Amino acid sequence: QQQVKQSPQSLIVQKGGISIINCAYENTAFDYFPWYQQFPGKGPALLIAIRPDVSEKKEGRFTISFNKSAKQFSLHIMDSQPGDSATYFCAASHPNTGNQFYFGTGTSLTVIP
Amino acid sequence: KAGVTQTPRYLIKTRGQQVTLSCSPISGHRSVSWYQQTPGQGLQFLFEYFSETQRNKGNFPGRFSGRQFSNSRSEMNVSTLELGDSALYLCASSLYPDLNQPQHFGDGTRLSIL
Repeated sequence: QQQVKQSPQSLIVQKGGISIINCAYENTAFDYFPWYQQFPGKGPALLIAIRPDVSEKKEGRFTISFNKSAKQFSLHIMDSQPGDSATYFCAASHPNTGNQFYFGTGTSLTVIP
Repeated sequence: KAGVTQTPRYLIKTRGQQVTLSCSPISGHRSVSWYQQTPGQGLQFLFEYFSETQRNKGNFPGRFSGRQFSNSRSEMNVSTLELGDSALYLCASSLYPDLNQPQHFGDGTRLSIL
């Protein structure tokens, strides 16, 4: 059973556009929601993370929006660049399981010039 | 500062064999977690170690095991390999097993079973 559901599976965006990736979860015990970026041949790299006590967090061109009541969170990439082309994973974890992260299935983002 | 180092990067084995993968965390990091990444199942948690003790284990058969040494380096072992064990095995380290500490992943070991 997939504890974190991610969509879309793939996304194509024009350079300068906004990329939006969505995730949903069921376990209300989750209290930490990171996003990871993975390039081919590399391990995932932490991009940005949020906790449920805030509804939005912004770091540069990357923003996480969090809707606790809907149990959904999303990643927005503003002014998308070809260098942003990668696979993005959302994840979630809860206090009882330390560093055990439940990952979404990933979104392959392609930014075309 | 060196990142998480995983060795070897690539490995080819046959069914029934066993394999040991190694992970050196970032200097000063004491928590190490292992994940299996496959196209079909995505990233799945294997186990987490802190201070040489396994703190948490994912839903994998007993053929998958691990350990951590006093210098925080970790190894994972898979015995009686099956074709379905073909995957990218990722190691992540953090200072402590605390959600305020970001996890840093290595580039993984690509294991292929023939």
